[in-house]
Amino acid sequence: DQQVKQNSPSLSVQEGRISILNCDYTNSMFDYFLWYKKYPAEGPTFLISISSIKDKNEDGRFTVFLNKSAKHLSLHIVPSQPGDSAVYFCAASARTSYGKLTFGQGTILTVHP
Amino acid sequence: SAVISQKPSRDICQRGTSLTIQCQVDSQVTMMFWYRQQPGQSLTLIATANQGSEATYESGFVIDKFPISRPNLTFSTLTVSNMSPEDSSIYLCSVDRGQMNTEAFFGQGTRLTVV
Repeated sequence: DQQVKQNSPSLSVQEGRISILNCDYTNSMFDYFLWYKKYPAEGPTFLISISSIKDKNEDGRFTVFLNKSAKHLSLHIVPSQPGDSAVYFCAASARTSYGKLTFGQGTILTVHP
Repeated sequence: SAVISQKPSRDICQRGTSLTIQCQVDSQVTMMFWYRQQPGQSLTLIATANQGSEATYESGFVIDKFPISRPNLTFSTLTVSNMSPEDSSIYLCSVDRGQMNTEAFFGQGTRLTVV
């Protein structure tokens, strides 16, 4: 039972353009969502998060959008840079158990110079 | 943020043996979490470790296979027991800030290969 899904295994984008990574969830108890970036041989690095009381959160080049009715969130990276090439994981948690994260399968982002 | 150190960073082990992974945090934290990432897969929570109590295991994970210790508020160990090639994975520990707007911080992971 995959409660958090990232349906695109990979995404290829030209440097300077926008990268859009998508994530869907099924558990209505989830009320906090996070995006992590992972390089090989490293642990996941926190990027940005959003609470269910918001529909948008922005931090520099990164913006996360949340559509609660559709149970969908997306991460926008503008402009994309070659250093952004990594695996991106969407994760979700519930108020009753913050810290316990349910992860999506990940999307491999490749940004070409 | 929290700085989390995991040891070893990688290991190659014989089937049937056990490996203990250590996780050290630079500050006191209430809860520590252990995750597994199998090859090509997502991260899956194994268990939650609170100091002074037994770890709480997620469905599909049992204490006999993955015993966990949490002797104090900055340290935890995960043992992978009686290993088989199917246990080849990256094992990660994480902690949260304990606040409402939590973000979990992760160690660099332990890459385990069982031969």
